[in-house]
Amino acid sequence: DAKTTQPNSMESNEEEPVHLPCNHSTISGTDYIHWYRQLPSQGPEYVIHGLTSNVNNRMASLAIAEDRKSSTLILHRATLRDAAVYYCINSGGGADGLTFGKGTHLIIQP
Amino acid sequence: DAGVIQSPRHEVTEMGQEVTLRCKPISGHDYLFWYRQTMMRGLELLIYFNNNVPIDDSGMPEDRFSAKMPNASFSTLKIQPSEPRDSAVYFCASSRGLAGGKDIQYFGAGTRLSVL
Repeated sequence: DAKTTQPNSMESNEEEPVHLPCNHSTISGTDYIHWYRQLPSQGPEYVIHGLTSNVNNRMASLAIAEDRKSSTLILHRATLRDAAVYYCINSGGGADGLTFGKGTHLIIQP
Repeated sequence: DAGVIQSPRHEVTEMGQEVTLRCKPISGHDYLFWYRQTMMRGLELLIYFNNNVPIDDSGMPEDRFSAKMPNASFSTLKIQPSEPRDSAVYFCASSRGLAGGKDIQYFGAGTRLSVL
């Protein structure tokens, strides 16, 4: 079973920010928080990852709670191309870190 | 690098036939993963290799499934005999490492298998 909990789906409007939540209350001190997304008819692709501090890259930002029991993936300005299933994974090494849950199906309205 | 390359992209076969899916990982990556994705079960890890050696095959559904990695640039997933319930999208992924969970997996485009 996945060690993370995400909403099944979320809807947002184009050009608005999107905040995708993930709960990981059983995360261990050495587990990294990874986000992947899967566009329609494609394989999953890496988005961002972090351990304790907030992270930014060209695709998104990752905000990690101080107790690390939750995190939020932030898409600053959603486009229609961001419509995908977003997966949050805790990975500390080993096969248990390679478990993809159901993810959040993000719908972007024009 | 061209990324992880899988072939074929689509495979349609009849029940009982042997199916072989192929994967070329990114050069320099020491880990290779095979996943299966269905609507019912989502994305499941089947097996992974480190330096061409199978490390964890606990996700392989049954003896009809086998995977090999004869060298660092090639892996196969074989189903013999195939059954309709094997219909799914099969993904191959590779990464530099696994330790510490810092490493990123890169996925191929997948093989869509239909067993009639």
